[in-house]
Amino acid sequence: AQSVTQLDSHVSVSEGTPVLLRCNYSSSYSPSLFWYVQHPNKGLQLLLKYTSAATLVKGINGFEAEFKKSETSFHLTKPSAHMSDAAEYFCVVSVGDMRFGAGTRLTVKP
Amino acid sequence: NAGVMQNPRHLVRRRGQEARLRCSPMKGHSHVYWYRQLPEEGLKFMVYLQKENIIDESGMPKERFSAEFPKEGPSILRIQQVVRGDSAAYFCASSPPGFSYEQYFGPGTRLTVT
Repeated sequence: AQSVTQLDSHVSVSEGTPVLLRCNYSSSYSPSLFWYVQHPNKGLQLLLKYTSAATLVKGINGFEAEFKKSETSFHLTKPSAHMSDAAEYFCVVSVGDMRFGAGTRLTVKP
Repeated sequence: NAGVMQNPRHLVRRRGQEARLRCSPMKGHSHVYWYRQLPEEGLKFMVYLQKENIIDESGMPKERFSAEFPKEGPSILRIQQVVRGDSAAYFCASSPPGFSYEQYFGPGTRLTVT
């Protein structure tokens, strides 16, 4: 069985400062890991994915995530937040079917 | 290539009525997944279907909920005798044939039960 925990339900940053959204997972097998973003009234959009290749994964819009097996973590980062990054972010673990975290709401202050 | 399409985008039903949510997968995709997002919660898996087959319905409530993906036409998520607790956003995702971790999501249907 697999599960995923997003450690912060809400993160607030100022525009231009770094973003860190934390995600820990558990899985009996080598999982695939994803980050999705959801803007209000929009469908989920895939930001990036890890599928057992390079541990540092680069995604769209300047986001990246690092797979750390020893820490069972897959934190999402961005060097400099933009106002348009304000959204809900979901970390997902998959071994066959997908398990979603509860989401982290990112607020970006001007 | 059109993405995953869901309709209606918004659906209002009174308690006791039936709700039908439709999902048209991406062209060439034969796997469909339904998720429910309750207010303030993450997405929860409901059911995974291939054409004419239910593969995994472990996340479906035991009563009132059913899903199908016929040979022709969209996948349908049906909720009978809706209750206020069914109010949520329902997302559909599709993936290509074969074993794939990747799913492409539709815009969702927001169901409101009054």
